[in-house]
Amino acid sequence: GEDVEQSLFLSVREGDSSVINCTYTDSSSTYLYWYKQEPGAGLQLLTYIFSNMDMKQDQRLTVLLNKKDKHLSLRIADTQTGDSAIYFCAEYYSSASKIIFGSGTRLSIRP
Amino acid sequence: GAVVSQHPSWVICKSGTSVKIECRSLDFQATTMFWYRQFPKQSLMLMATSNEGSKATYEQGVEKDKFLINHASLTLSTLTVTSAHPEDSSFYICSASGSGSHFLEKLFFGSGTQLSVL
Repeated sequence: GEDVEQSLFLSVREGDSSVINCTYTDSSSTYLYWYKQEPGAGLQLLTYIFSNMDMKQDQRLTVLLNKKDKHLSLRIADTQTGDSAIYFCAEYYSSASKIIFGSGTRLSIRP
Repeated sequence: GAVVSQHPSWVICKSGTSVKIECRSLDFQATTMFWYRQFPKQSLMLMATSNEGSKATYEQGVEKDKFLINHASLTLSTLTVTSAHPEDSSFYICSASGSGSHFLEKLFFGSGTQLSVL
C-alpha cells in the first residue's frame, strides 16, 4: 500500500548537522520531496529530487536517495534555531497521481 | 516561487453551518489542486484532488457530500464544509501545481485554514 514513514522527533545541538530519514513504498515514484512546516503555517517546499538522482545539494541542504532500499534522507548542515520546524517527506505515487506525506519529523535545536 | 493564497486563515462557526475555504494561485495557472486535512501533531491527509473543469477525485473515507470541492477556473478552487460539526474542526491546507510535463516538480501550498466548529 501507499506509505511514507519517518521518525517523529529529532533533537540536535545548534551548529551540528541534522539528518532526517524517510522510507517509502512505491518503487515507481518519480519525485520525492522535503517540506518544512512552521507552527500554524502552511508547508514550504525545501527541495525535491527526481528518482533518477542519488543526491541533490542546495546550500545547507543535502538530499540522499537510495532507491534500492527506498530510503530518502535530508541533511541540514550547521543547524540553526530557525531550522526548528516539522519536516515532511513526501512521495509522488505515479500510479494514483497523488502525493502522500509522511508523519513529519519535529526538529528541535538545543543551544 | 509561486504563490498560493488561501483564506480565511481562521474561521470559527456554529455547528450546522457551512464554511467555504478558497484557494487561489496568484501567479500561475493551477491545473491541479489538492486539499489536505491536518490534525494536531499529525501528518497531512489527502482529502481530494481536483482538476480544473472536472469533478474532484475523493480519497477513500472522505464524504464528497460533506466536503464539496469546486475547481471552476485555473486559479481558484474552493472547499465547502457543509453542515459542519465539531469533529470537522481541523487545519485544512490546499496546494496547487501548474501545467507541463514536470508539473509535480513543485507543489505550492496555501498557508492553511484553521476551522473551529463550536
